[in-house]
Amino acid sequence: AQKVTQTQTSISVVEKTTVTMDCVYETRDSSYFLFWYKQTASGEIVFLIRQDSYKKENATVGHYSLNFQKPKSSIGLIITATQIEDSAVYFCAMREGGGYKVVFGSGTRLLVSP
Amino acid sequence: EAAVTQSPRNKVAVTGGKVTLSCNQTNNHNNMYWYRQDTGHGLRLIHYSYGAGSTEKGDIPDGYKASRPSQENFSLILELATPSQTSVYFCASGVRDSNYAEQFFGPGTRLTVL
Repeated sequence: AQKVTQTQTSISVVEKTTVTMDCVYETRDSSYFLFWYKQTASGEIVFLIRQDSYKKENATVGHYSLNFQKPKSSIGLIITATQIEDSAVYFCAMREGGGYKVVFGSGTRLLVSP
Repeated sequence: EAAVTQSPRNKVAVTGGKVTLSCNQTNNHNNMYWYRQDTGHGLRLIHYSYGAGSTEKGDIPDGYKASRPSQENFSLILELATPSQTSVYFCASGVRDSNYAEQFFGPGTRLTVL
């Protein structure tokens, strides 16, 4: 069965620094998609970045990048040059390649302070 | 304009009453999902659908029914609401195609069952 685990409940950083959020997953499928979503203080949930299991290169979008370690079933989110507006809850999620079901982790709250 | 909308945005219900949460999407996506969000649990999948007329059980379907009468609409039904169903409910849509695998979320519905 699919499972996604985020062990970091909350992280606090000073702006302009780099932060890494951890996520590990479990799947029996050889093909799967991994996602990171951001939930803002208003409750809005938006898609940030995606990693396809068959791609060896780490995905990068703006100041978000991923650290995909397939042998460890790990997909870390790296935010460089953090900004105050990066303060939010970040969710890791997974969908198996042939399926419709998407499973989320419990989220990591990021607080970026001046 | 918003592509996934939910109604109502807030709802107060009485124990034992029937509650229907509605979701509409204009993305023309095949897949639609209902999640609930509770502190410490992140987003948990209740029901999902891969097209009009289909509904599938997610990870926590007990006490909930779903209905997908059309491509655009997906409803979540609580036949006999209980206080434990007090939560924030999110609807999402997505495609199955691997090039567009992410989900798009609605703004959420806050449900309180007294």
